[in-house]
Amino acid sequence: DQQVKQNSPSLSVQEGRISILNCDYTNSMFDYFLWYKKYPAEGPTFLISISSIKDKNEDGRFTVFLNKSAKHLSLHIVPSQPGDSAVYFCAASTAAGNKLTFGGGTRVLVKP
Amino acid sequence: EPEVTQTPSHQVTQMGQEVILRCVPISNHLYFYWYRQILGQKVEFLVSFYNNEISEKSEIFDDQFSVERPDGSNFTLKIRSTKLEDSAMYFCARKTGLGYEQYFGPGTRLTVT
Repeated sequence: DQQVKQNSPSLSVQEGRISILNCDYTNSMFDYFLWYKKYPAEGPTFLISISSIKDKNEDGRFTVFLNKSAKHLSLHIVPSQPGDSAVYFCAASTAAGNKLTFGGGTRVLVKP
Repeated sequence: EPEVTQTPSHQVTQMGQEVILRCVPISNHLYFYWYRQILGQKVEFLVSFYNNEISEKSEIFDDQFSVERPDGSNFTLKIRSTKLEDSAMYFCARKTGLGYEQYFGPGTRLTVT
């Protein structure tokens, strides 16, 4: 089941630069998209979300962009900080909102 | 947002044994979920629980699995006869009635030997 895909398993970026994480989905019934951050031995932590009626949502250093026609979303982190080093998961929900479907994750390493 | 707590943090069990994983929400929410993540794989949905009933379950959630909220507070996931392939991190999540965001607990690492 590859309804949500994160094609880049890892990303390395210099502190202060922009991190761009990508996510593609195939299910046109997805109505809401979320990004989670996960440290080892911890549960996923909610970061930011976007509804399908929007194309951009911004919260501090984090911005999520949604291109519904391309079934693609991205997370921008700027400026990147060493504490941002973690695994980032893209997730999607249908309008029923009953479960999240996750991508495989992208491991981000921010170098000082 | 307050989190849920999960116990135990790590459970080791032998194949064929029953395990019960517990989730305690900090505040009173109606929507609860169990997910699991096998090492190196995606976080997978198992089951959702609303108003003391299962509202949706995945193909993974077969007859070996059950959930309940026995005392109106704790939310439990029971695996009746564990298999080696049940070894994974199990996450409890909760949601308020509004919105789609789910908030996850720290997880229980289940190791089946």
